[in-house]
Amino acid sequence: EIVLTQSPGTLSLSPGERATLSCRASQSVSSRYLAWYQQKPGQAPRLLIYGASSRATGIPDRFSGSGSGTDFTLTISRLEPEDFAVYYCQQYVSSRPWTFGQGTKVEIK
Amino acid sequence: EVQLLESGGGLVQPGGSLRLSCEDSGVTFSSNAMSWVRQAPGKGLEWVSAISGNSLTTKYADSVKGRFTISRDNSKNTLYLQMNSLRAGDTAIYYCAKEDNNDYYSFDYWGQGTLVTVSS
Repeated sequence: EIVLTQSPGTLSLSPGERATLSCRASQSVSSRYLAWYQQKPGQAPRLLIYGASSRATGIPDRFSGSGSGTDFTLTISRLEPEDFAVYYCQQYVSSRPWTFGQGTKVEIK
Repeated sequence: EVQLLESGGGLVQPGGSLRLSCEDSGVTFSSNAMSWVRQAPGKGLEWVSAISGNSLTTKYADSVKGRFTISRDNSKNTLYLQMNSLRAGDTAIYYCAKEDNNDYYSFDYWGQGTLVTVSS
């Protein structure tokens, strides 16, 4: 099973600052099958990024994804008040489908 | 537009059973592969089970294999999860989620979730 490790666990930032979230896989992952989600309290997750770097429908361009192999990054260029939430990375491999990272909480400093 | 609505959650004793439903109000349900993803209280996301649009392919996480069964009725635009031999560790919010249609294996639509509590 591929394990996804997200860091940091918590990121304390102010609105307007840049957020950089890391997702590291225990073995190489196809970039096509790497996604990022945002979850706010009491809500379902929302797809932000698929294919490691493509924004989902309606996602603002301040969100961007990058990476390949075992290292992937979600960047929020300038934090808006509504961006404070928990973020999860997710990967898919046919033999042991869909695993999620443990999440990174972005909180207001 | 896909809109997913789960139902069927509740309180059940250890060893008991429960069936969850997820209704899609959209028009393309039969074309969509679907999954169940759960989230224990205060914890992260865990994929549980998946089914193809034509029901020919099903997959399960090791933690539920042999106890849970995923199915769907495309005439009713409804996805199901039959959960048997429930354990305390199955306590979670259960979300149904639609896989994207372009083989990226991401989940582009989610329901609001239904809470399952396994306790005596």
